[in-house]
Amino acid sequence: GQNIDQPTEMTATEGAIVQINCTYQTSGFNGLFWYQQHAGEAPTFLSYNVLDGLEEKGRFSSFLSRSKGYSYLLLKELQMKDSASYLCAVTDSNYQLIWGAGTKLIIKP
Amino acid sequence: DGGITQSPKYLFRKEGQNVTLSCEQNLNHDAMYWYRQDPGQGLRLIYYSQIVNDFQKGDIAEGYSVSREKKESFPLTVTSAQKNPTAFYLCASSTELSGANVLTFGAGSRLTVL
Repeated sequence: GQNIDQPTEMTATEGAIVQINCTYQTSGFNGLFWYQQHAGEAPTFLSYNVLDGLEEKGRFSSFLSRSKGYSYLLLKELQMKDSASYLCAVTDSNYQLIWGAGTKLIIKP
Repeated sequence: DGGITQSPKYLFRKEGQNVTLSCEQNLNHDAMYWYRQDPGQGLRLIYYSQIVNDFQKGDIAEGYSVSREKKESFPLTVTSAQKNPTAFYLCASSTELSGANVLTFGAGSRLTVL
């Protein structure tokens, strides 16, 4: 079966750095997405990785290792508004999106 | 501003009733999707449409129906055959961005069966 694993919940302090991990077992791989979803709202696109390595976009970075089936989202200089769920999704060999259950990130002052 | 509008935001239904959730986009995207989101689970695909007058079943299509008569509109009907319809429903459309099929989501419709 296809599976995406993320921690259910994480807590971090305002101004700090947090890394949210995502591991996947899918039939093929055609890219990995990270989306941010505030409670009761729509998910919004954060990043896309298809090749190994780090993609940096402001305070957010996303890393991919295809050989390990592993990605992480790195959030720097955390702000209270970063409190949200972070969804990892993988496109498989049929270009179907497989979604993780999401990681709820709680930021404390 | 371009985007996706879902309505209603909250909906209550009695058992045995059909309800229709509206989804309208002005992004000029060809592809549209309906997802269901339940606590502790990943998004699950109900139906998708890549072009007007054509749509495909997703992973959990049973008890749901859709239509795609216009490019802008992709309504979802939750029928009485859906055994556990209480959930958060998300509509999305997609466009290609640097080789990635990026989804833009509506704000969602929360359906509660009484």
